[in-house]
Amino acid sequence: GQNIDQPTEMTATEGAIVQINCTYQTSGFNGLFWYQQHAGEAPTFLSYNVLDGLEEKGRFSSFLSRSKGYSYLLLKELQMKDSASYLCAVSSGYALNFGKGTSLLVTP
Amino acid sequence: DAGVTQSPTHLIKTRGQQVTLRCSPKSGHDTVSWYQQALGQGPQFIFQYYEEEERQRGNFPDRFSGHQFPNYSSELNVNALWLGDSALYLCASSVRGRLAGELFFGEGSRLTVL
Repeated sequence: GQNIDQPTEMTATEGAIVQINCTYQTSGFNGLFWYQQHAGEAPTFLSYNVLDGLEEKGRFSSFLSRSKGYSYLLLKELQMKDSASYLCAVSSGYALNFGKGTSLLVTP
Repeated sequence: DAGVTQSPTHLIKTRGQQVTLRCSPKSGHDTVSWYQQALGQGPQFIFQYYEEEERQRGNFPDRFSGHQFPNYSSELNVNALWLGDSALYLCASSVRGRLAGELFFGEGSRLTVL
């Protein structure tokens, strides 16, 4: 079975740093992916981790610990446009198994 | 370069009816996956098509079926619609051999079943 957990909602201030956590228990693992989805729009790919450690990509970083079934997405220098839902997903076979998403609100 | 295109964008059906949703993948992509996203939920994997064959299927009943054409476009068919099928249906394309989880999503088809 698949179980992917992430907080439902988070609020942060413009210019700050926010960390969105994700824990997972899955029957197969090919990688951990993060997607961003603005309201009414399609999800867009942000980052992925296959091996343990931190991957940095501009203002976004993602961390993975396979032994702990844990990942986080770190967003730095928050901007208003970062208000969106952030989806954690585990790749298993050819499928991506998504969590329910974390709705992030960035306030002035 | 057109991205993933889906049609129709919105549609309303009644219980028991059948629906067909269409998807054209991003240029250069050969693999199409379909996802169902209920309100407030993450997308759920329905199935993936490659070389006109269903390669993997999620936990969805046989009422959900699909097809991929030689030009890589795809259709999702749902028979005997019921209220619980109301959702956003997302098509995603990718390239075999590239990063498996890097998907390019279309804007989706929002289905309402009354």
